[in-house]
Amino acid sequence: DVKVTQSSRYLVKRTGEKVFLECVQDMDHENMFWYRQDPGLGLRLIYFSYDVKMKEKGDIPEGYSVSREKKERFSLILESASTNQTSMYLCASSLVRGGGTGELFFGEGSRLTVL
Amino acid sequence: QKEVEQNSGPLSVPEGAIASLNCTYSDRGSQSFFWYRQYSGKSPELIMSIYSNGDKEDGRFTAQLNKASQYVSLLIRDSQPSDSATYLCAVIGDTGNQFYFGTGTSLTVIP
Repeated sequence: DVKVTQSSRYLVKRTGEKVFLECVQDMDHENMFWYRQDPGLGLRLIYFSYDVKMKEKGDIPEGYSVSREKKERFSLILESASTNQTSMYLCASSLVRGGGTGELFFGEGSRLTVL
Repeated sequence: QKEVEQNSGPLSVPEGAIASLNCTYSDRGSQSFFWYRQYSGKSPELIMSIYSNGDKEDGRFTAQLNKASQYVSLLIRDSQPSDSATYLCAVIGDTGNQFYFGTGTSLTVIP
């Protein structure tokens, strides 16, 4: 079974802090994604990556950056956390470039609260 | 911005009934369509995928696709309380680069 592991299930941070969300997948998938999920807004893509050291902006990249130094690991970074970044963050991976006919496998999510 | 629209619900059906979930999408070039189920506090899991016009059945689930109408639906037969969840419609756009998700439909199956 594919396993996508997110390092923290629950985090509480203060405004202005730097936040790292880590994601690791164990199936050698090329594609990795970071989404945030908010009530009434659904899943919104923040960043995605098709290869090591490659990244592309999604629909809402402002206030976020990412790092992919190894194929299995994709990190989301909030340089200076703000209260409007309080959300559920979901990491996902897929096998086929661009998703293709494959499916997204999601991690369990990281619920971030910024005070 | 590609759009995927779903009725947010909530949709309530009695146990044993058919639940019908609908989704429309704006990108006429979309080729791949998915339904994900998300239980409260959990991450989404894939339950159905469909790529060509018509129906696709898997157990109690049937996905229907009509590309001319830009419409995809999910039917759940013999609904069970365990089907109570939020159902997310997802579409891969014509560039094949991104999944676009609807906001989800909340389904409650009443015993």
